Amino acid sequence: DARVTQTPRHKVTEMGQEVTMRCQPILGHNTVFWYRQTMMQGLELLAYFRNRAPLDDSGMPKDRFSAEMPDATLATLKIQPSEPRDSAVYFCASGPDWGGVKEETQYFGPGTRLLVL
Amino acid sequence: KQEVTQIPAALSVPEGENLVLNCSFTDSAIYNLQWFRQDPGKGLTSLLLIQSSQREQTSGRLNASLDKSSGRSTLYIAASQPGDSATYLCAPNDGGGYNKLIFGAGTRLAVHP
Repeated sequence: DARVTQTPRHKVTEMGQEVTMRCQPILGHNTVFWYRQTMMQGLELLAYFRNRAPLDDSGMPKDRFSAEMPDATLATLKIQPSEPRDSAVYFCASGPDWGGVKEETQYFGPGTRLLVL
Repeated sequence: KQEVTQIPAALSVPEGENLVLNCSFTDSAIYNLQWFRQDPGKGLTSLLLIQSSQREQTSGRLNASLDKSSGRSTLYIAASQPGDSATYLCAPNDGGGYNKLIFGAGTRLAVHP
């Protein structure tokens, strides 16, 4: 049963600390998405990767957030330095190459619940 | 900029009722629209995907309709069960070169026995 995995599942840290979240997309999927979910803003797209290249990170605060795909099996989202307003659930999703095919969906991981004190 | 609104925000019903969840979006230039389910503490699971050229899509007790020109979609749940309790999210696909989903805030559903 292929699924997206995310680590850690929960993270509590203090303001100013670096936070790194990891995602393993489903094998064979070459698109990866990072989302942030809060009560106030709902689900927001932070970044989109295709074939490991970042194609859209317009939703991501550039001063403290960075996203990378060191290889096809690992995507990372890093916050440095973290702030209390970054507290949220961060989801990773993967999907097959859309390529204009309109039937493809995204498969979500369980999320990383981040609390910055 | 696409904006998605879901009504009602929350719904509590007894088991067995037929339900209607509403979604409206401001930009009708979409490629498709999906309905997702989110259980507490979990990720999202895709329920139905309607292409822009389709009017509706069905899966079991779920039926989703799409009126692209008016910017509306509706999710019908027939004969609701306690296991249907979850948050339901609507997400039109803005396209723009990739599978870009814009999510509504969701409808939180509670079905009690």
